[in-house]
Amino acid sequence: QSAPTQPASVSGTRGQSITISCTGTRSDVGTYNYLSWYQHHPGKAPKLVIYGVNNRPSGISNRFSGSKSGNTASLAISGLQAEDEADYYCTSRTTANTVVFGGGTKLTVL
Amino acid sequence: QVQLVQSGSELKEPGASVKVSCEASGYTFTTYSINWVRQAPGQGLEWMGYINPGARNPTYAQGFTGRFVFSVDTSINTAFLQISSLKAEDTAIFYCARDTSWGVYDSWGQGTLVTVSS
Repeated sequence: QSAPTQPASVSGTRGQSITISCTGTRSDVGTYNYLSWYQHHPGKAPKLVIYGVNNRPSGISNRFSGSKSGNTASLAISGLQAEDEADYYCTSRTTANTVVFGGGTKLTVL
Repeated sequence: QVQLVQSGSELKEPGASVKVSCEASGYTFTTYSINWVRQAPGQGLEWMGYINPGARNPTYAQGFTGRFVFSVDTSINTAFLQISSLKAEDTAIFYCARDTSWGVYDSWGQGTLVTVSS
């Protein structure tokens, strides 16, 4: 089971909007809506920011949104803030009844 | 509130074993699976597998069979990750996470750094 592909890095200036993609296959992203996104600041535990493709957990800013089309899911962050700088990972259920993490994307806020 | 608290950092020699604990509180331990996630130095998050505390049946990802064992002790609401025959490449931070639905990890442990070095 290979990991869904994410861009290694994305950058944006404060206030700008960015999108991070997560491209899988019909064996994972393309089949299930068990698609989540995590924000990970180094040295801290990862934090769930989107689940079920486009649902935000309680306490997560509405600046975070998710979508999916075919084998590709996307995380959008609007109104970039300095604290958004982190690594972001998608996860998906697979047809083998496992879970797979995307390769991760480093977001830099300029 | 839901909380997962992991055991502290470990320094082990090659060939030794290590057992990492993950103590859950704030919910019924047997309701949700505990997943384990590895982050090797400079690498991304990697799913290792999970164990259902109620059924005690572990599932391991490819690459985490043989030397890796998940277990639970429901009397103390704790999940364990044991790694045997440690190698230098096992050096990583290991996280436990509560899974409410196929990769929806709403609560994480703080991570345990395991360093394998002679």
